[in-house]
Amino acid sequence: EADIYQTPRYLVIGTGKKITLECSQTMGHDKMYWYQQDPGMELHLIHYSYGVNSTEKGDLSSESTVSRIRTEHFPLTLESARPSHTSQYLCASEKGKSSYNEQFFGPGTRLTVL
Amino acid sequence: QKEVEQNSGPLSVPEGAIASLNCTYSDRGSQSFFWYRQYSGKSPELIMFIYSNGDKEDGRFTAQLNKASQYVSLLIRDSQPSDSATYLCAVKKGSSASKIIFGSGTRLSIRP
Repeated sequence: EADIYQTPRYLVIGTGKKITLECSQTMGHDKMYWYQQDPGMELHLIHYSYGVNSTEKGDLSSESTVSRIRTEHFPLTLESARPSHTSQYLCASEKGKSSYNEQFFGPGTRLTVL
Repeated sequence: QKEVEQNSGPLSVPEGAIASLNCTYSDRGSQSFFWYRQYSGKSPELIMFIYSNGDKEDGRFTAQLNKASQYVSLLIRDSQPSDSATYLCAVKKGSSASKIIFGSGTRLSIRP
């Protein structure tokens, strides 16, 4: 059973606010990912990290930023939320050191920006 | 051309029949292949993985891999209404630094 958590699960916020979406995993996984997914649409990778102090932008341009100060924690921050940021945000983690390991997903945060 | 291609569906299958989901990939260096199931409004969950050519069975699910044809499929036997979901094919290259590449998913609907 994968232990990966995301908070909040749902967030409704006004335009211009700064928000941080939290993601934590207790499996000691080196690799962590953030995906954005609109309803019925495909996953888009927005950020990933292969270890502490390592972060990279994904395939989809995003105005968000991430940090990886601790192995278990990979928060995503939006400095100024806009209605175009309304989406589902999924965090995932993966055990490192092998090309055969799968990703485990958190339950997601559904963000609505008014 | 997308790296991982799936028919978006919807694929409609009668209850009790076999559902066949297909996926093709473009990179011959791909080593690991995964099938995830995603219910509406939920996050993806892994149901099968396969690394070697041939078939791999797990309960009602069978994954099939053909590296020469760059093709991976998922068969669901005795389909149940609870199998109605979007199925994501995911592919990974043979390096520990490789990211998983997800297809856009096939929506499967099992009709009673």
